[in-house]
Amino acid sequence: GAVVSQHPSWVICKSGTSVKIECRSLDFQATTMFWYRQFPKQSLMLMATSNEGSKATYEQGVEKDKFLINHASLTLSTLTVTSAHPEDSSFYICSARLAGGSGADTQYFGPGTRLTVL
Amino acid sequence: EDKVVQSPLSLVVHEGDTVTLNCSYEVTNFRSLLWYKQEKKAPTFLFMLTSSGIEKKSGRLSSILDKKELFSILNITATQTGDSAVYLCAVGLYNNNDMRFGAGTRLTVKP
Repeated sequence: GAVVSQHPSWVICKSGTSVKIECRSLDFQATTMFWYRQFPKQSLMLMATSNEGSKATYEQGVEKDKFLINHASLTLSTLTVTSAHPEDSSFYICSARLAGGSGADTQYFGPGTRLTVL
Repeated sequence: EDKVVQSPLSLVVHEGDTVTLNCSYEVTNFRSLLWYKQEKKAPTFLFMLTSSGIEKKSGRLSSILDKKELFSILNITATQTGDSAVYLCAVGLYNNNDMRFGAGTRLTVKP
């Protein structure tokens, strides 16, 4: 149980285009989902916290107009990278917290999406 | 500013060796400390620690937390090549249960 999927697993796009990444909790409901970004050989950086039915909370330094997050249902959150540039190339990972869960160990990670912007 | 610092950043050992990975933290609203193993993709959960002095064990892996000195260690005994990975330490916070990750320790176990 507690499986989180991401789609696509990798994407290559041209500079200036927008890319949407989906994060789904497959067998549980997630009131909260988190979006992380990871650069090569670096740790995960929290970008934003997404609560179902409300606006996402962005970490300092993360542009909300560039990284649009939508959490429309208890099983789906999307991250749209708008007007992507090469510096947005990174590994994006989502995690989903089990509804009713209160500890960090009830967060389950997706497999990640590798974005390459040419 | 919340900080989670792991050391060493990388480590190369031979099969059968024992390794100790360190994680120190300075955060507000500490709730828990977690260890993850990351191979090629997303991190996989290893341990969550909330109380000082209580060792958690899973096979050859064990971990302990010291909330007074603000650090945790992850021990791996009789290492195997399959233990090669990046080990991430994360601190879970009370506010919205956010996590702050350390930079990770890249462990390479040679045959």
